[in-house]
Amino acid sequence: NAGVTQTPKFRILKIGQSMTLQCTQDMNHNYMYWYRQDPGMGLKLIYYSVGAGITDKGEVPNGYNVSRSTTEDFPLRLELAAPSQTSVYFCASSPGIQETQYFGPGTRLLVL
Amino acid sequence: QQPVQSPQAVILREGEDAVINCSSSKALYSVHWYRQKHGEAPVFLMILLKGGEQKGHDKISASFNEKKQQSSLYLTASQLSYSGTYFCRDDKIIFGKGTRLHILP
Repeated sequence: NAGVTQTPKFRILKIGQSMTLQCTQDMNHNYMYWYRQDPGMGLKLIYYSVGAGITDKGEVPNGYNVSRSTTEDFPLRLELAAPSQTSVYFCASSPGIQETQYFGPGTRLLVL
Repeated sequence: QQPVQSPQAVILREGEDAVINCSSSKALYSVHWYRQKHGEAPVFLMILLKGGEQKGHDKISASFNEKKQQSSLYLTASQLSYSGTYFCRDDKIIFGKGTRLHILP
């Protein structure tokens, strides 16, 4: 099992550009999450999904969009990149909401 | 509101003990603990459920006081490998800001 995989590992964006952060899990987990972590800070929940076709906002959803068309994939879309979106983005999955979250290795994003 | 962790940072010598606290302003059904090493993803340590038993993980254990809406993580006879940032997470999938633990040889 690969677990949770994220691509790319690192990306530099110019202000106003768009990109999609990819996240895939092979554990057949219903729940998937996106968090961002600013340097020296904790994890902030952006969006989460309880299953294919169902998503909900977290603490900091502004500037992001998500979709969940399959159980395995949960991409995060940045439409108009801003310097405030410079961060490390972690995707995670879990069988249920009160169960262990498994994190991907993260995507480091720099917006200049 | 996110869970509140204390202290923000701890420096210990190898072999010493540490306690990290996590409290919530809301009623909690569960508390989760994770550890993150520098440059890596968070890794699960344990879950404590309401009405459940105290959990243990090697020399790391935790308790959960539902009435006080608090949980504490106990690190006994700390090892160099325990260094990192410890996060608690509530049942609404919100993480605390973390407690940085640094172990000196």
